[in-house]
Amino acid sequence: EIVLTQSPGTLSLSPGERATLSCRASQSVSSSYLAWYQQKPGQAPRLLIYGASSRATGIPDRFSGSGSGTDFTLTISRLEPEDFAVYYCQQYGSFFGQGTKLEIK
Amino acid sequence: QVQLVQSGAEVKKPGASVKVSCKASGYTFTSYYINWVRQAPGQGLEWMGWISAYNGNTNYAQKLQGRVTMTTDTSTSTAYMDLRSLRSDDTAVYYCARIQTPYRVNDYWGQGTLVTVSS
Repeated sequence: EIVLTQSPGTLSLSPGERATLSCRASQSVSSSYLAWYQQKPGQAPRLLIYGASSRATGIPDRFSGSGSGTDFTLTISRLEPEDFAVYYCQQYGSFFGQGTKLEIK
Repeated sequence: QVQLVQSGAEVKKPGASVKVSCKASGYTFTSYYINWVRQAPGQGLEWMGWISAYNGNTNYAQKLQGRVTMTTDTSTSTAYMDLRSLRSDDTAVYYCARIQTPYRVNDYWGQGTLVTVSS
């Protein structure tokens, strides 16, 4: 079983700032199968990024994904108020990381 | 439009079973897999397993092996998740989600079903 470890656990930033979230796998994973989701309180998760770097339909271009092998990154270039949420990475449609909470500073 | 509509909230006693349904519409049901994911209160997302709506093949998380069964009814485009021998730590919101291939991502999600296990 591949374990995904996300860091930091909580990230405190202000609107307009840049956010960098990390997802590290316990062994190499195919970039094709690395995804990122956003979840807001009381809502189901929403797909943001698939294939490590491709934005899902309707996702603003301030969201970008990168990485390969064991290290992957989700970057939000300029935070909007609606971006404060919890973010999860997932591999091969199965196991998730433990999440990073992005909160307003 | 693609929709996954789940059954309503359940309250169960420890040791009982629960069956959650997920009715799909807006796409060809048998062309996709369905994932089941749960989230305990205040916790992260936990993958439970998936089922092929085409042939019924399943893959369950090892942690739940022996207690979970996933099935589909292609005549009604509905997926089911049956969890037995419920414990208090099974209290969670249970989600179904469609798996988009080839990237194996969850592109559409149900609204979630709260299952509460309490004596």
